[in-house]
Amino acid sequence: AAGVIQSPRHLIKEKRETATLKCYPIPRHDTVYWYQQGPGQDPQFLISFYEKMQSDKGSIPDRFSAQQFSDYHSELNMSSLELGDSALYFCASSLRAINSYEQYFGPGTRLTVT
Amino acid sequence: QKEVEQDPGPLSVPEGAIVSLNCTYSNSAFQYFMWYRQYSRKGPELLMYTYSSGNKEDGRFTAQVDKSSKYISLFIRDSQPSDSATYLCAMSAEGAQKLVFGQGTRLTINP
Repeated sequence: AAGVIQSPRHLIKEKRETATLKCYPIPRHDTVYWYQQGPGQDPQFLISFYEKMQSDKGSIPDRFSAQQFSDYHSELNMSSLELGDSALYFCASSLRAINSYEQYFGPGTRLTVT
Repeated sequence: QKEVEQDPGPLSVPEGAIVSLNCTYSNSAFQYFMWYRQYSRKGPELLMYTYSSGNKEDGRFTAQVDKSSKYISLFIRDSQPSDSATYLCAMSAEGAQKLVFGQGTRLTINP
């Protein structure tokens, strides 16, 4: 079965640079979620989108922005990167009409800020 | 204090043992309870999902929710070395989008 696709899988950036992470949800899933997982930490919710509209917001820094496109893929844009932004960034998707709590995660993008 | 507390372990048991993993929580609004399995450097994989109180069984896995005690459990029967992973509990309130995760328990099944 098709899963959530994330790209790139690894990304190395320097401080103050910009990064863009992409997420392609499971086909027919209409809701996308972004989570950040620091080393040895549990995933922390950043933001979610349903039908291209922001549906919930968590502890996402103002330096970060995200959007969902008409084909339901999503992009997380991160500017003025800081060392503390180094983490695994997961995208998850769900079919809201069925169960938005049944979220399926992608393999993650490992961001390293140097 | 975190909304969801989970013993990080590590937990090491022999193959074939019954494993019990637990989480407690403080937010009485939580209605949906999930268990995820995460292998090293991989994304969390949804194992079980339960709504409100009760039990749910899927093969060797059983999830239990006791809302009166704010306590959830995952039992793994006939544990296998391939079950070695970090197990994360996650919860969500009605109408909320985000999942709130526990810290995760690192489990090792020894052959």
